[in-house]
Amino acid sequence: EIVLTQSPATLSLSPGERATLSCRASQSVSSYLAWYQQKPGQAPRLLIYDASNRATGIPARFSGSGSGTDFTLTISSLEPEDFAVYYCQQRSNWPPEITFGPGTKVDIK
Amino acid sequence: EVQLVQSGAEVKKPGESLKISCKGSGYSFTSYWIGWVRQMPGKGLEWMGIIYPGDSDTRYSPSFQGQVTISADKSISTAYLQWSSLKASDTAMYYCVRRYNSGFDYWGQGTLVTVSS
Repeated sequence: EIVLTQSPATLSLSPGERATLSCRASQSVSSYLAWYQQKPGQAPRLLIYDASNRATGIPARFSGSGSGTDFTLTISSLEPEDFAVYYCQQRSNWPPEITFGPGTKVDIK
Repeated sequence: EVQLVQSGAEVKKPGESLKISCKGSGYSFTSYWIGWVRQMPGKGLEWMGIIYPGDSDTRYSPSFQGQVTISADKSISTAYLQWSSLKASDTAMYYCVRRYNSGFDYWGQGTLVTVSS
């Protein structure tokens, strides 16, 4: 099973600051990695797919990068509505499976 | 407009069976994989399995294989998640999701399942 590790577990920042979230896979997932945002009481929302493609309607301040085993989600300048939990998720062809990372909580400093 | 609309919250007793549903609309239901994701109270996201309604090809996470059954009825654009014998540890929010490339681009509103004696 491919395991995803996210760091840090919690990121305390102020509005306007840059957020850098990391996701590491236990083996290569090529570019088959997605990022989600989840706010309390809501379903998750897809932000980034295939490592670096923004989903429909996602603001340009969100960007994704990486390939293989190391990936990064960057929020260039935090808006008040960006404080939430962020999950990465991989889809591998072999073994054919999907897994989520444990999440990074971005909270207000 | 693409929508995934799930069935309502359920309260069940241990040992009971349950089948929850997810109806897709606004797109070709048979052309996209539909998956199920569990979120236990206060915890993260867990992928349970996925089905391709076009031919009913189904894959399960090893953690959920044998514990649940995923199915779909393409004639009514609906996917299902079912249990034959619920446990208290099945208490969670369950989301259906549409797969798009490496991610899930549409999520249902969630179905809260509570299992308690």
